[in-house]
Amino acid sequence: NAGVTQTPKFQVLKTGQSMTLQCAQDMNHNSMYWYRQDPGMGLRLIYYSASEGTTDKGEVPNGYNVSRLNKREFSLRLESAAPSQTSVYFCASSVIVRSGSRDEQFFGPGTRLTVL
Amino acid sequence: SQKIEQNSEALNIQEGKTATLTCNYTNYSPAYLQWYRQDPGRGPVFLLLIRENEKEKRKERLKVTFDTTLKQSLFHITASQPADSATYLCAPLPGYSSASKIIFGSGTRLSIRP
Repeated sequence: NAGVTQTPKFQVLKTGQSMTLQCAQDMNHNSMYWYRQDPGMGLRLIYYSASEGTTDKGEVPNGYNVSRLNKREFSLRLESAAPSQTSVYFCASSVIVRSGSRDEQFFGPGTRLTVL
Repeated sequence: SQKIEQNSEALNIQEGKTATLTCNYTNYSPAYLQWYRQDPGRGPVFLLLIRENEKEKRKERLKVTFDTTLKQSLFHITASQPADSATYLCAPLPGYSSASKIIFGSGTRLSIRP
């Protein structure tokens, strides 16, 4: 049981390049999330997928797109990377987001992205 | 707008003492509050959840309080150990199911010296 896995662990891009960050979970969770973490800013939600087939914007979605490929996988795409997107990206999953319940989130190890 | 504030300065505690971390929120009425631990270079790990109708929650050496009047949660680690050194994040949550409202504090870095 690997939990939440992310690839790659590190990436350096030039401004304008594109890339996709991959995330997979093997816990049969319904909901998946993408966050970015910057020094002094805490975790900020980029996009989330409450269940397979749905995606919604979070707090900072501009410059990103996501795909919920299946129940296990949720990818984050940067179409044209900018230096402001230099950050650590975390994927997370939870059993379900439902009214009256607040399940814990399980986080992956993160992807450290630098955009030059 | 909603704001979550945690001790911005690092907290340095002598081993064996009780560490107390603060999470204050404004323009927000969360129904739940979660606490996470994050070690350098790793993702956050869930520790505890407390509901608005619970004043206090305990788990081993951890204790969390939730004061909806003061709009504050306190996180205590008793008999602290060097292994407790990490960054601790709070996340107040609404009662309805909307991940878009998940807001994390920026965290407090705790250092326990032997």
